[in-house]
Amino acid sequence: GAGVSQSPSNKVTEKGKDVELRCDPISGHTALYWYRQSLGQGLEFLIYFQGNSAPDKSGLPSDRFSAERTGGSVSTLTIQRTQQEDSAVYLCASSLSKVEAFFGQGTRLTVV
Amino acid sequence: GIQVEQSPPDLILQEGANSTLRCNFSDSVNNLQWFHQNPWGQLINLFYIPSGTKQNGRLSATTVATERYSLLYISSSQTTDSGVYFCAGPYGGATNKLIFGTGTLLAVQP
Repeated sequence: GAGVSQSPSNKVTEKGKDVELRCDPISGHTALYWYRQSLGQGLEFLIYFQGNSAPDKSGLPSDRFSAERTGGSVSTLTIQRTQQEDSAVYLCASSLSKVEAFFGQGTRLTVV
Repeated sequence: GIQVEQSPPDLILQEGANSTLRCNFSDSVNNLQWFHQNPWGQLINLFYIPSGTKQNGRLSATTVATERYSLLYISSSQTTDSGVYFCAGPYGGATNKLIFGTGTLLAVQP
């Protein structure tokens, strides 16, 4: 596609529910990144996929968080048993290997 | 892995003024980007600048990789320049994840 697309744009969920956030990277981009940004804060790295290599999961804050990337394209970030502290904007980016990364518009998650 | 520091953390300008934002890295980088996060939260690519100098309108950037810093220049600032400016570089080693600085919050007043 023309740019990185994320869905949904906004998600309100009840505490304890599971949520799935989707990222469609730019076509042909081999690298995909997930970040989280809490209100007024910087970007917190979550997970990084590069081609067929094992993903770098070092930023996932707990085992309630997981992500997969199917067919080297679309990625889904799953948060199980959501907590209020999970409320944030979740940002996805993609790039060709080791060059300029481009971000989607983000998914604003609110846990009530 | 690298650490990224940005300065100043906050900056208030009058419209028309010039400014310089700085990004320091703890180690050499071969991939450096500057982003502008607008008030709606969208991250806009400004420059991909591993080394040298680039210009785009009123904005320009210079990276001195051997000295591990990059500068973003904003000339004749406008209110639409307001927002947060981030720099980012690769962590290094086996992973190429991007590590972000803490950002510079810029407010341009009319």
